[in-house]
Amino acid sequence: AQKVTQAQTEISVVEKEDVTLDCVYETRDTTYYLFWYKQPPSGELVFLIRRNSFDEQNEISGRYSWNFQKSTSSFNFTITASQVVDSAVYFCALGNMLTFGGGTRLMVKP
Amino acid sequence: DGGITQSPKYLFRKEGQNVTLSCEQNLNHDAMYWYRQDPGQGLRLIYYSQIVNDFQKGDIAEGYSVSREKKESFPLTVTSAQKNPTAFYLCASSEPRGAHSGANVLTFGAGSRLTVL
Repeated sequence: AQKVTQAQTEISVVEKEDVTLDCVYETRDTTYYLFWYKQPPSGELVFLIRRNSFDEQNEISGRYSWNFQKSTSSFNFTITASQVVDSAVYFCALGNMLTFGGGTRLMVKP
Repeated sequence: DGGITQSPKYLFRKEGQNVTLSCEQNLNHDAMYWYRQDPGQGLRLIYYSQIVNDFQKGDIAEGYSVSREKKESFPLTVTSAQKNPTAFYLCASSEPRGAHSGANVLTFGAGSRLTVL
């Protein structure tokens, strides 16, 4: 069975702080894909990134970066210089049909 | 613009009633999905369909039913057998199936919030 754990249920930071959202996963598959989605207050999940298990290179996209470590089964997400618009619930997900973690609610205060 | 339309956005139901949530997509996606989201929890898969006239149960299918008569449409019926139907329901779709279907990115609708009175 697959499982995704996001231990941080809620994080509050002040604007311009850096913040890291943790994601730990379990799977028996040797090949798999990991995802991060953002859910703003409007409710619609927005795709952020997809990473396959063969590629352990870290990825940076603007203020967003992702650290994939297969050895520790983790796929953490860092927002640099957070902004109020980053306030949302962030989900980490795994594999086919997507097994989701419980989500981390990020609140960025001005 | 292409996307997924879910309706209604808010729905109230009395106990014992069936309700149907609509999901329409114009992305030409083969696969469609229904997820349920409860407060503080992640999304859980109810049903999915990879092709017209075929669908499969997800992790929490009991008390729900679906149909897939058209590629664009995947309605979800919440039946009276669903013991705790109050939740936020999200519909999604993904690109045509391929060798790496696990890599498919899902596009989500804005959701339907169902409240049982």
